Amino acid sequence: EADIYQTPRYLVIGTGKKITLECSQTMGHDKMYWYQQDPGMELHLIHYSYGVNSTEKGDLSSESTVSRIRTEHFPLTLESARPSHTSQYLCASSEYSGNYNSPLHFGNGTRLTVT
Amino acid sequence: GNSVTQMEGPVTLSEEAFLTINCTYTATGYPSLFWYVQYPGEGLQLLLKATKADDKGSNKGFEATYRKETTSFHLEKGSVQVSDSAVYFCALSDSARQLTFGSGTQLTVLP
Repeated sequence: EADIYQTPRYLVIGTGKKITLECSQTMGHDKMYWYQQDPGMELHLIHYSYGVNSTEKGDLSSESTVSRIRTEHFPLTLESARPSHTSQYLCASSEYSGNYNSPLHFGNGTRLTVT
Repeated sequence: GNSVTQMEGPVTLSEEAFLTINCTYTATGYPSLFWYVQYPGEGLQLLLKATKADDKGSNKGFEATYRKETTSFHLEKGSVQVSDSAVYFCALSDSARQLTFGSGTQLTVLP
């Protein structure tokens, strides 16, 4: 069963539209992440957060933005969607503890298509 | 920086065949190592992990041993099933608590 939820599951939208991808987790995890997964399956970290009011950019430059107003919620927003944003977006969370053994828990992803 | 190199796919096997997916890493210090699996249409889920040298992680018949001398964490299963068809990701986490993923290996098991 999933303790981390992403909506929508699929989204087809026209160029120039503003979209928000939702991600919520019920595990009380402090750390949350957004990954972009390309068709070749490789994962690219685009944003992460250590907790409320903390957001950081990841390894891959992205035109998206994120916010973390509540522990359980980490939405990702594209102000103006473009065809190059077509991809699968995966949200994840983990405990932010003193050790680095905590695994990531992933949602089922949002598959975005921009026409 | 850290890096993870995985065996390129796709890998196609017959049911009950032996599976090995190679994974080697580059990291400073003593990272923790993980294998994640992604079934079709789903997100990734943790398959197994090892946190120190010579540890063996195991789950669902899969095994991997943390080999510091060869900087490797190869995934093995003695007898694969059709239901094991998925994408497998090797990953490491270091003291900065950032996770580095390999590029993924697609496995298809034929009946």
